[in-house]
Amino acid sequence: GAGVSQSPRYKVAKRGQDVALRCDPISGHVSLFWYQQALGQGPEFLTYFQNEAQLDKSGLPSDRFFAERPEGSVSTLKIQRTQQEDSAVYLCASSLSQGSSYNEQFFGPGTRLTVL
Amino acid sequence: AQKITQTQPGMFVQEKEAVTLDCTYDTSDPSYGLFWYKQPSSGEMIFLIYQGSYDQQNATEGRYSLNFQKARKSANLVISASQLGDSAMYFCAMREGGGQAGTALIFGKGTTLSVSS
Repeated sequence: GAGVSQSPRYKVAKRGQDVALRCDPISGHVSLFWYQQALGQGPEFLTYFQNEAQLDKSGLPSDRFFAERPEGSVSTLKIQRTQQEDSAVYLCASSLSQGSSYNEQFFGPGTRLTVL
Repeated sequence: AQKITQTQPGMFVQEKEAVTLDCTYDTSDPSYGLFWYKQPSSGEMIFLIYQGSYDQQNATEGRYSLNFQKARKSANLVISASQLGDSAMYFCAMREGGGQAGTALIFGKGTTLSVSS
């Protein structure tokens, strides 16, 4: 079956440009997470959606980062006025929301953003 | 303070040998879950194994086992009979809370495993 997909896989932006990164979660998955992974580091949480509701955006590093999931499926992470420190891999993960302690998160392949 | 600590930046092992990747964690929450993920050079995060804080037995999944020592707050990954395809970055991660689906994973910095023939 289809897993989590992300597009584009690679994005090069000039400093100051706006970018939009897309995530298609596994069909039926209620929960959706965005993570940022800097080079040589582990992923760090950015934001969480349950269906269309953004329930936690505590990890967004600045107000230049904005995420949405208007219909409770596809999500877009937008970064305005990109800076060099935004260069990273952006990972999307989805999971069923059944309240079990397990709740494996399935990750997409990521979008590698390079800001010049 | 780091919630997940992986002290081995790199590990080297020969094919068919076993290897242990270390992970210690820090939480005051009595209910938590521990995960190990593999990240090959292609970038995707592949789930390997899960251990719940209340699980009585160590988790096992094929060649992967988790050496869970709750009192020491350690959750080391053991890979038996290493294969060349095991070469990758390995991340230990924790989710705190009693199974709330919206709780994000907290990752360590990872360990790079290199398997040679």
